[in-house]
Parts: sequence; structure tokens; C-alpha cells
Amino acid sequence: AQKVTQAQTEISVVEKEDVTLDCVYETRDTTYYLFWYKQPPSGELVFLIRRNSFDEQNEISGRYSWNFQKSTSSFNFTITASQVVDSAVYFCALASNTGNQFYFGTGTSLTVIP
Amino acid sequence: DAGVIQSPRHEVTEMGQEVTLRCKPISGHNSLFWYRQTMMRGLELLIYFNNNVPIDDSGMPEDRFSAKMPNASFSTLKIQPSEPRDSAVYFCASSPGTQVDTQYFGPGTRLTVL
Repeated sequence: AQKVTQAQTEISVVEKEDVTLDCVYETRDTTYYLFWYKQPPSGELVFLIRRNSFDEQNEISGRYSWNFQKSTSSFNFTITASQVVDSAVYFCALASNTGNQFYFGTGTSLTVIP
Repeated sequence: DAGVIQSPRHEVTEMGQEVTLRCKPISGHNSLFWYRQTMMRGLELLIYFNNNVPIDDSGMPEDRFSAKMPNASFSTLKIQPSEPRDSAVYFCASSPGTQVDTQYFGPGTRLTVL
């Protein structure tokens, strides 16, 4: 079974604080792909990152960083020095060749307070 | 390059009416996905096309829903007859390869069935 769990439903932080969004996944496949998407209040879904299961290197893109740990089946997302524009719902997703779809988590709603 | 285009952006209709949602995927993309997003159920995959052929329609709620992809640049999702419980945001997404590739989402169609 494929499953993505985002246990944090809502998070509020004060601007400039760092915040980590958790993502835990389940899969029996050895080859799989993990994704993060952002859904701002305007409603569109914006792609942030795609990682495959063979690449465990952490990734940094500006204020965003991702920590992929196969040992704990986690793919956590950290925003450093958060800004009001980071306020959005963030979705983690899993895909593999044995399933015909993305398995989305339920999302984490992040509010950055000025 | 243009992203995924959806129309209409908003649709309000009365119960029992037919509703047709339209999607133009990114040129050159081989896969197209229709999703429904509600507060209660989150993001649900309705149907997945690859090279214009439906690969997985297990998420289509019932016979009232149908989807077509007559060519590589156009897809429709039809609901007939519509019911109030169909009210949701419907997203179309496309990807360059298969279901494990990054999906790029359209802006969504907000459907309200009265």
C-alpha cells in the first residue's frame, strides 16, 4: 500500500522563524518518487521539488531545504527565515511505477504571522 | 510557454444540469490527470490518461462522471446530471511522461452545484 502522512494539520509561526513540515511515507517499492507542492491562498498548486528514492542527498533552494531519510521513510521540508508569502497549504506526494497516481498527503496549512 | 489551461474558472449550476469542464495540457506532455479537491476528502485523482488513452479511471465517482481526451491537446470532464455533492475545485494536470513524472497543475475550476 502507498500512503503519505502529514501529521501537522496547521502550523503558525512568526515571520523570520524557521519551520519544518513533516512528511512520512509508506511504500513497498524500491523505486519511488517524492514531491512537494505549495497551494497558496489563490488556489493553484505549485510544484516545488521531485526526488527519487536513490538520491538521499539533501537539497537546498534558497530558503527552502528538504531532508530525505529512507531509514525513517521521511521527506521533511524546512523553510528558513519564513516570510508572509510562505503562507500556504503544503502537500507532500508519493509516486511509483506500481501505482497509477500520486498519493497526496492531506496537507499542512502554514500561516506566517507578520 | 503556457501552462495548463482550464475553463471555465468558475461554474455555478443547478442540480440536474450537465457540466463540462475543459483542459488544455502543456504542449508535448504525454499524460493528463483530473483531480477533485474538497475540504472533506482532500485531493482525489479521478482519471489518468497517457497518450490520450485512459489508464486508470478507478477514481471516477460514478456513472454520472465521464472524461474524454480526443487528442493530445484537449480533454473534457463531464458531469451529468450534477448534484450538490459534486461541488468542489476540479484540477487538471499534465506531465511530460508518466505518473511518476512531475505534474503541472492548471488553475482549477471551482464548481458550485445549487
